[in-house]
Amino acid sequence: AQSVTQLGSHVSVSEGALVLLRCNYSSSVPPYLFWYVQYPNQGLQLLLKYTTGATLVKGINGFEAEFKKSETSFHLTKPSAHMSDAAEYFCAVNSWAGTALIFGKGTTLSVSS
Amino acid sequence: DSGVTQTPKHLITATGQRVTLRCSPRSGDLSVYWYQQSLDQGLQFLIQYYNGEERAKGNILERFSAQQFPDLHSELNLSSLELGDSALYFCASSVELTGRVGPEAFFGQGTRLTVV
Repeated sequence: AQSVTQLGSHVSVSEGALVLLRCNYSSSVPPYLFWYVQYPNQGLQLLLKYTTGATLVKGINGFEAEFKKSETSFHLTKPSAHMSDAAEYFCAVNSWAGTALIFGKGTTLSVSS
Repeated sequence: DSGVTQTPKHLITATGQRVTLRCSPRSGDLSVYWYQQSLDQGLQFLIQYYNGEERAKGNILERFSAQQFPDLHSELNLSSLELGDSALYFCASSVELTGRVGPEAFFGQGTRLTVV
């Protein structure tokens, strides 16, 4: 069975500071990993995904994530936070095309000026 | 805009009632997934349909059912509603690809169900 653990239900940073949102996964087969963002009263939007190949993945809005198999991690980072980054972020995993994503509980990112 | 359309956006109903949520997937997507999002449970996978047939079940209650029609739109039926069913219900769709290529799912805006 697959699972995702997001460390920290709430992360607060100052504008311009580094953003680091942590995600660890469990999977018996090589995983596909995703980060989604949810703004208030909105659906989920894909930020980035890892399937195969390069382990450092770049996404939209300046976010990137690195797949580390030895650490079973897929942490999301952004060098400089912007006020508009305030949202809830979800890490997700699946293993085969056409299977349902399994989500972590989410991390709420707050950005202060 | 993800291309996935859910209706209605909001629904308020009483306990014991039955409601139907509707989802139109992105053009060309054959897989439809339903998720329930609540504060205590997070995002829970309910059920998946692929090209009209049930593909996988998650944490779906027996009071809930779904179907996917020939035009690929899907409906989630929730019956004998309880207060605890109040949640945001998301539909997502994805392209079915062969082989080990993992497509992302595209999510609709959700239907917020409030049971009173």
